[in-house]
Amino acid sequence: QSALTQPASVSGSPGQSITISCTGTSSDVGGYNYVSWYQQHPGKAPKLMIYEVSNRPSGVSNRFSGSKSGNTASLTISGLQAEDEADYYCSSYTSSSTEVFGGGTKLTVL
Amino acid sequence: QVQLQESGPGLVKPSQTLSLTCTVSGGSISSGGYYWSWIRQHPGKGLEWIGYIYYSGSTYYNPSLKSRVTISVDTSKNQFSLKLSSVTAADTAVYYCARSDILTGYTIDYWGQGTLVTVSS
Repeated sequence: QSALTQPASVSGSPGQSITISCTGTSSDVGGYNYVSWYQQHPGKAPKLMIYEVSNRPSGVSNRFSGSKSGNTASLTISGLQAEDEADYYCSSYTSSSTEVFGGGTKLTVL
Repeated sequence: QVQLQESGPGLVKPSQTLSLTCTVSGGSISSGGYYWSWIRQHPGKGLEWIGYIYYSGSTYYNPSLKSRVTISVDTSKNQFSLKLSSVTAADTAVYYCARSDILTGYTIDYWGQGTLVTVSS
């Protein structure tokens, strides 16, 4: 299985919005509404931010939102804050009953 | 609150077998509804899914690692384990154990803190 495709880096200024894309195939992202997004700060374990494409776990800010169109899922962070600076990973369930991650995107808050 | 804790050697010699155990607290592996996962992260790199196991013993593995990976479960100890054989320096990584929620499409909702395993002679 090939890793999902994410941009290596994105950046934005405080208060702005950014979007991170996650492109897969019809065997993973496009085939299921089982896309998740994780935030990882340096030296820490990843934290779940979005599940089932667009659902937020309890405690996650509503500045984080997710969507999907075809084989591409997206994570949007609005009202950027300094604390949002981190690595972000998407993941998807696959037709082989396995999971696959994206390569990760480094978000820099300017 | 579910907690997961990885344990095992931090240094493994090339060609040997890497063995890690994850101890789950705050919830029972046998309760069902979840797969129990292993994920790794090479230094400075992204996340790589290794595989997962259900309490019944049903397993699924990353095809790229399948020939070398075995994940097992011990419900009596509320633990699950990872074995990775014939390791090389390329297997040096932080290894995470985690819980995957079946009802939300195998979303990983709880993670261990991770443990660094270095493969070196």
